[in-house]
Amino acid sequence: LAKTTQPISMDSYEGQEVNITCSHNNIATNDYITWYQQFPSQGPRFIIQGYKTKVTNEVASLFIPADRKSSTLSLPRVSLSDTAVYYCLVGPNTGTASKLTFGTGTRLQVTL
Amino acid sequence: GAVVSQHPSRVICKSGTSVKIECRSLDFQATTMFWYRQFPKQSLMLMATSNEGSKATYEQGVEKDKFLINHASLTLSTLTVTSAHPEDSSFYICSALAGQGYSPLHFGNGTRLTVT
Repeated sequence: LAKTTQPISMDSYEGQEVNITCSHNNIATNDYITWYQQFPSQGPRFIIQGYKTKVTNEVASLFIPADRKSSTLSLPRVSLSDTAVYYCLVGPNTGTASKLTFGTGTRLQVTL
Repeated sequence: GAVVSQHPSRVICKSGTSVKIECRSLDFQATTMFWYRQFPKQSLMLMATSNEGSKATYEQGVEKDKFLINHASLTLSTLTVTSAHPEDSSFYICSALAGQGYSPLHFGNGTRLTVT
């Protein structure tokens, strides 16, 4: 199982773009990269998932280089409500996702 | 779509009693459900994996006789904390996997258990 490494914390001002990078050097061929957001006392919420290159949805973009050994979650123009912990998970996109392991996550603090 | 409901959201119980937490997939059938525990300021730790109709698979260090998991249907899994002690106080979170091709994990909103 691919282990992930993320910065423990990041600070940003409201309105800025925030990029959170996750390292996963031993990612396997059939592994996908998924990012979750967690607010205090709530369950994680799915943000975005990708396999390679770039994926964009209404809330974020995910950039994955060709070697897939890292990925970057990009949050455009963050607001105070984006203050949360962001987790990068790497694992197979099948029913055997049971072993998806949560790393330390990145605690993002957005201020005015 | 893909809503996972967890109940109760908060529970306080006395030492020695048992507490049951329910996890339901509201708009999809969950072939596999997972239970996590999260202590303050820490990440989620997988406790066990449950598949409908079969025994749960517990992670190393998790006592299966203390944390009873039942996945009786494709939409319901329950976690029962038996003979709870104060050290069992934690945030318990379930997630569900539809198992139909592409499917990220969908999480419940967690249950805050406080054992007094």
